[in-house]
Amino acid sequence: KAGVTQTPRYLIKTRGQQVTLSCSPISGHRSVSWYQQTPGQGLQFLFEYFSETQRNKGNFPGRFSGRQFSNSRSEMNVSTLELGDSALYLCASSAYPGRNQPQHFGDGTRLSIL
Amino acid sequence: QKEVEQNSGPLSVPEGAIASLNCTYSDRGSQSFFWYRQYSGKSPELIMSIYSNGDKEDGRFTAQLNKASQYVSLLIRDSQPSDSATYLCAVGESNTGNQFYFGTGTSLTVIP
Repeated sequence: KAGVTQTPRYLIKTRGQQVTLSCSPISGHRSVSWYQQTPGQGLQFLFEYFSETQRNKGNFPGRFSGRQFSNSRSEMNVSTLELGDSALYLCASSAYPGRNQPQHFGDGTRLSIL
Repeated sequence: QKEVEQNSGPLSVPEGAIASLNCTYSDRGSQSFFWYRQYSGKSPELIMSIYSNGDKEDGRFTAQLNKASQYVSLLIRDSQPSDSATYLCAVGESNTGNQFYFGTGTSLTVIP
């Protein structure tokens, strides 16, 4: 069974640009969550999608947005990039939403802002 | 802001010893708890989940949960150099939704 697939693995952008990251969950998983990981802050929750609807959102500015498609694949978009957006962005999937459902992570997209 | 705190590292243990990793959480209503292992440059990998008070064993790993004390721990017996990684504690948020709070991780080094 294939795991969570994130593309691209690496991205280099400059300030002010925008970026779109993609996540394909484990087959059969319908809930997708996004996290930002930085050395100082650890894993910070961005948002969670289920059935093409955003169910939860973390404490990030509106420049961070996402969506989910009918096949459960998800995209995350960051506009007007800032230097502080440099991080590893992780996508995690679970069969259903719910606090008892363990999440399985993809390998992440490492975003560097110059 | 709900918090998850992990014992500060880095933690070093000799090969064959028991490594003890600790985690406390602030959300008293939390019902689900997970331990992830993250190797350098890799994504977090789920190694244990626990939902009820007490101990849960899986091979060399034992998770311990005490909801009254808001404390969860991970014991690694017979530590191996391959266990060297950062261990993340994750706590399921008590309200509806799939939100999890993560600790910043404890770096473990097993010395051969």
